[in-house]
Amino acid sequence: EMQLVESGGGVVQPGGSLRLSCAASGFTFSTYAIAWVRQAPGKGLEWVSSINTSGYTRFYADSVRGRFTISRDSSKNTLSLQMSSLKAEDTAVYFCAKHSSGWYTDGFDIWGQGTMVTVSS
Amino acid sequence: QSALTQEASVSGTVGQKVTLSCTGNSNNIGSYAVGWYQQISHGAPKTVMFANSLPSGIPDRFSGSKSGTTDSLTISGLQPEDEADYYCSTWDYSLNAHVFGGGTKLTVL
Repeated sequence: EMQLVESGGGVVQPGGSLRLSCAASGFTFSTYAIAWVRQAPGKGLEWVSSINTSGYTRFYADSVRGRFTISRDSSKNTLSLQMSSLKAEDTAVYFCAKHSSGWYTDGFDIWGQGTMVTVSS
Repeated sequence: QSALTQEASVSGTVGQKVTLSCTGNSNNIGSYAVGWYQQISHGAPKTVMFANSLPSGIPDRFSGSKSGTTDSLTISGLQPEDEADYYCSTWDYSLNAHVFGGGTKLTVL
C-alpha cells in the first residue's frame, strides 16, 4: 500500500523555524515528484512547493519563497520542508502529496494525513 | 482570489446527478490535466479524478470531462458518502505553480 506519513509539526513563535518530514512507503520514491500542500484553519487547499525526482528542480508558492526549502533523500524515502521566518499566516495543516508521475506539472494521487503547524506567541 | 473558479456550493438528492465545474485559462486548464480532490471534514484529501481518469478504488459514478478552459467532475447516482468539499487543481505555466480552486461544498440532501 502506498503511504505518506508526515511528522514534525508543532507550535512555534513568529520568526521561528520548524522542519517537517514525510516518510514514503509502498512505491519507488525516487521515480516520483513530491509536493507539500497546506490548509489554513477554515480555508481551502494551497500548494506550497514541489520537487522533481532528482531534487535539483524545486518550485515554491510566492507566499513561502525565500523562507521555505524543500528537499528529498531518496536513500531514506523521505521528503523534508525546512520552514524559517515563520509568520502567523503559515499556521496550517501541512500535507505531503505524491505527484502521479515524475513530472511536477502532473497532479497528486496519494496524500498523507497531515501535520499541524501553529505559529503563535 | 483563486486562479481556478469553482462553485461555492452544490447540492443534490440521493441518486441524482450533479456536475461540479472548474474554470481557468489557457495558462492552466487549457494546457494541463486537472485533478479533483475530495476532502471530508477537513481530513486528508483523496484523489477522485485525474486527467479524466478514475484512480483505483474510486467508484465509476464519478466521471470527468474537459472543454477548453473548463474542467468538470460529474457524480451520477449521488450517495450520502459523497458529501464533502471538492477541490480542482492543475499546473499554471505562467505562474510556475500548482493552482487550486476555492473548493465546492457538496451537500447530499
